[in-house]
Amino acid sequence: AQSVTQPDIHITVSEGASLELRCNYSYGATPYLFWYVQSPGQGLQLLLKYFSGDTLVQGIKGFEAEFKRSQSSFNLRKPSVHWSDAAEYFCAVGDFGNEKLTFGTGTRLTIIP
Amino acid sequence: NAGVTQTPKFQVLKTGQSMTLQCAQDMNHEYMSWYRQDPGMGLRLIHYSVGAGITDQGEVPNGYNVSRSTTEDFPLRLLSAAPSQTSVYFCASSYFGSYNEQFFGPGTRLTVL
Repeated sequence: AQSVTQPDIHITVSEGASLELRCNYSYGATPYLFWYVQSPGQGLQLLLKYFSGDTLVQGIKGFEAEFKRSQSSFNLRKPSVHWSDAAEYFCAVGDFGNEKLTFGTGTRLTIIP
Repeated sequence: NAGVTQTPKFQVLKTGQSMTLQCAQDMNHEYMSWYRQDPGMGLRLIHYSVGAGITDQGEVPNGYNVSRSTTEDFPLRLLSAAPSQTSVYFCASSYFGSYNEQFFGPGTRLTVL
């Protein structure tokens, strides 16, 4: 069965600093992968997704993620964070065969001035 | 477009009561899903549907029923509420499968006493 691990429960970053959120997945074939963001009290919004092709994908709000098959990782990055990036971030992996999406446990991002 | 709407926003139940969480979308999406979000556990898939008349179980289906009589609506029924079902419930929809971007509703916060 597919699974997703987000090893960092909470990360604190200074405004203007770079950011990397980690995501590791377990899946036998080629997965499709997503990063979603959830602001407090809100539903989730898609940041970016990977199906195939170029392993570096660009998303909204200046985020990007790199798919590394050898490391089973799909880490999210941003070169310079803004206070409005404070939120919870979820990595998710899917399977073309069973229509189910599996989410990680999330990483809460705090931005300090 | 209203997107994905959920009612109610908040609900308190007593153990053993039943209720239905409503979900509707006006984007003509074929795929709809229900998740529950619990602290430290991310989002877990309860049930999903790939089109009207077709539903299937997700990761945590016990205690919940769904039906999909129309493309627009996907209600989630709690048959006999238990304190373990205290959670935030999100409905989501997408074009033709979980591999497409899912649009999430604002959530329903349910407390079972």
